[in-house]
Amino acid sequence: GAVVSQHPSRVICKSGTSVKIECRSLDFQATTMFWYRQFPKQSLMLMATSNEGSKATYEQGVEKDKFLINHASLTLSTLTVTSAHPEDSSFYICSARTGEVTQYFGPGTRLLVL
Amino acid sequence: GENVEQHPSTLSVQEGDSAVIKCTYSDSASNYFPWYKQELGKRPQLIIDIRSNVGEKKDQRIAVTLNKTAKHFSLHITETQPEDSAVYFCAATFNSGYSTLTFGKGTMLLVSP
Repeated sequence: GAVVSQHPSRVICKSGTSVKIECRSLDFQATTMFWYRQFPKQSLMLMATSNEGSKATYEQGVEKDKFLINHASLTLSTLTVTSAHPEDSSFYICSARTGEVTQYFGPGTRLLVL
Repeated sequence: GENVEQHPSTLSVQEGDSAVIKCTYSDSASNYFPWYKQELGKRPQLIIDIRSNVGEKKDQRIAVTLNKTAKHFSLHITETQPEDSAVYFCAATFNSGYSTLTFGKGTMLLVSP
């Protein structure tokens, strides 16, 4: 149980384009989903918290107009990186939880912006 | 907000030895402390967690201890195996509907055969 999927696993795009990443909880309903960014050899940095049907809460320093988050259902959240630039290249990981505190992570999406 | 310090940043052991990773937290209200293992390029996986109402929890070769007074908790791995090699992250949070995890910077554990 508690399986979280993410798609795509890897994406390469040109600078200035937008990229959408999907996060799904496969066998449970996720009341809350989280989006993290992880640079090489670094820890997980929380970008935003999203609850189904409400606006995401962004961490300080994360541009909400650049990183659009939609949590339309209890099993799906999407992160759209708009007008991506090379400095946005990173490993993006989502996590999900039910009413309990435990977070279950997706496999991550490696984004490379050329 | 919460701040989690993790040490050491790298740890090299011989197969069969024990490994200990230590974390400290700043917010005395934190009451949930998970440990995640992340292999290169893969997702973090929960390996063990502890809540503030217990001082120790064990699962086969893995154990976690918690000292609430000192605000520190530790991960203990006994009889290490090469497949234990990975980056380990500790985290802390207060269990509420709005809680987020604060992660340590991670420890790269290398187990040599």
